[in-house]
Amino acid sequence: DAKTTQPNSMESNEEEPVHLPCNHSTISGTDYIHWYRQLPSQGPEYVIHGLTSNVNNRMASLAIAEDRKSSTLILHRATLRDAAVYYCILNSNTGKLIFGQGTTLQVKP
Amino acid sequence: NAGVMQNPRHLVRRRGQEARLRCSPMKGHSHVYWYRQLPEEGLKFMVYLQKENIIDESGMPKERFSAEFPKEGPSILRIQQVVRGDSAAYFCASSPSDTPNYGYTFGSGTRLTVV
Repeated sequence: DAKTTQPNSMESNEEEPVHLPCNHSTISGTDYIHWYRQLPSQGPEYVIHGLTSNVNNRMASLAIAEDRKSSTLILHRATLRDAAVYYCILNSNTGKLIFGQGTTLQVKP
Repeated sequence: NAGVMQNPRHLVRRRGQEARLRCSPMKGHSHVYWYRQLPEEGLKFMVYLQKENIIDESGMPKERFSAEFPKEGPSILRIQQVVRGDSAAYFCASSPSDTPNYGYTFGSGTRLTVV
């Protein structure tokens, strides 16, 4: 499975936008880019996914580089409830998600 | 839609006992995945099942662990003769398809403590 690289941790102020980067230089043409997050003591939660085009939903936006070797998850206005570990995962056709260490996002009031 | 239901939420077992963890996928989802998260560690894939079939069990320990997803009823992850190192949170996820264009829905997990 192709690997992703994320910063270990990031900080943000409440009400400000947050850009969470992810590098996936070995991505293949059929890999979808998925983002999940895990709040403390909870199960992972699906956030967003995309293939080539940028995607928006009620939770976040996903910006995908033209060469697809990197992507950025954008939280438009961080709240304290967004403090979590964010995972960027490449979903190929194997039927399973491989989680890395993710980015721990701290949101300061 | 109740989402992915896992029970029990907490399970305490003595060393040597058996642990049975249940997962009911979302309605309409026929693909189930089990993950384990040791304390302060990341999520590790264990097994992927479709109805009555094990598709990928590459992440499951060869001994003491087994999983099933029968035609009727929930998926079961079974751990025989539990040891302290089995203490972890076990999460189940489901999806409607194995194609990568679907997000997975996770349950709230079962926290297993072996004493």
